[in-house]
Formats: sequence, C-alpha cells, structure tokens
Amino acid sequence: NAGVTQTPKFRILKIGQSMTLQCTQDMNHNYMYWYRQDPGMGLKLIYYSVGAGITDKGEVPNGYNVSRSTTEDFPLRLELAAPSQTSVYFCASRRTVDSGNTIYFGEGSWLTVV
Amino acid sequence: ILNVEQSPQSLHVQEGDSTNFTCSFPSSNFYALHWYRWETAKSPEALFVMTLNGDEKKKGRISATLNTKEGYSYLYIKGSQPEDSATYLCALMNYGGSQGNLIFGKGTKLSVKP
Repeated sequence: NAGVTQTPKFRILKIGQSMTLQCTQDMNHNYMYWYRQDPGMGLKLIYYSVGAGITDKGEVPNGYNVSRSTTEDFPLRLELAAPSQTSVYFCASRRTVDSGNTIYFGEGSWLTVV
Repeated sequence: ILNVEQSPQSLHVQEGDSTNFTCSFPSSNFYALHWYRWETAKSPEALFVMTLNGDEKKKGRISATLNTKEGYSYLYIKGSQPEDSATYLCALMNYGGSQGNLIFGKGTKLSVKP
C-alpha cells in the first residue's frame, strides 16, 4: 500500500528556476494538502484541495501554484524559485474532515534554492 | 491567527527514563487534536487523534491526555527507548478553519541516549 508518494526527495534549484513537486495518493482521499516545514517552525499550509478541480490557498501560498485534475494527483509548482523557498515540503491527504480522521503524509521533499 | 505551542522545544533523556511533553492551544472552537511522530526523512506518523475533553489514549508505551477546557494535551512516554528518538508534533483542528487543515506546533525533539 503506497499511501502518499512525493517526488523528488531532494532537489537543488537555482534562483529563478521553475520546478514541480509531484504528489500522488492511492487511498481515494478527497482532501489533499501541501505544507512546508522550516527549521524551528511548525508545518505551514501552502495550498489545499477538497476534491478534483477545486483548490484553495492556505497560510503561505505566495510563489506557488497547484492543480488538482484528478483525485490522485496534487502537484505543487514553483514558478520563480527564491532562496526563501528553501524548505522541506510535505504533501498530505485525508479521506474526510471528520474529527476522528487522521492526515497521511508523504516522506517529504527537501528543496534548496541557491 | 491560531497559535499552538509545544514545550519543551527539545529534550534529552537516558534510555529507560519516562518523559512527557506539553501541547497548548486556544480552547475556543476546538474540534480535534492530533499527535504525530516524525523521524527525519520519513513521513510524519499519526499517533493519536483526540476529540473529547478528558480523552486518554494509549499506544504501547506512549499515551496522551486532553483537556479542551483549559487548552492543553500531554504526551507521555514510559521507559524511553532509543527508537523513540524523533520529533513529536501536535496539531489543532478547529471549526471554521481551512477545510480539515491542522495548525501545527513547532514540535518537541526527543533524543534518547542508550
């Protein structure tokens, strides 16, 4: 059972480059999330989606874009990479938002912008 | 902006010691509190989802309590082992937030020395 799969695991980008972090889940979850984790900080929500075709901004969306063309996939795009986007990125999914439901995370993507 | 506080920030204990951490959160509009265990380079792993005031949950040597009226949760580890070394994250889900989003604390990093 794969769960939530993120790629790539590690990437070094130059300032101004673009890239897409891929995320896919095989649990048929409606809700998907992208978080970033900076040193000494809690996970911050970048974007989320409540189902295919629907996305919305989280707490720190600037510099990112997402799409949700299928239930399984929720890619995160960085258009013009900046050093401030150096972080660990986590994709996550959840079946419903009922209080008892946990969120399942991918293993993280370590991104460095130089 | 909701704030979830965790203390201590880091903790070093000897194998066999019992330990506990605190998660504090605003008690208004409480919906659920999640605890996760995160080892670097792995997915954060759900430990507990707690919803009711007075909840106590246990998983092996790890247990947690919840007080929604005063806005805190404790995580206890009995007889710490080196494999317990990880960052422990708590996260609040409240009514009215982004769909199913969790507000994370900064985590407590536990190191257990053999």
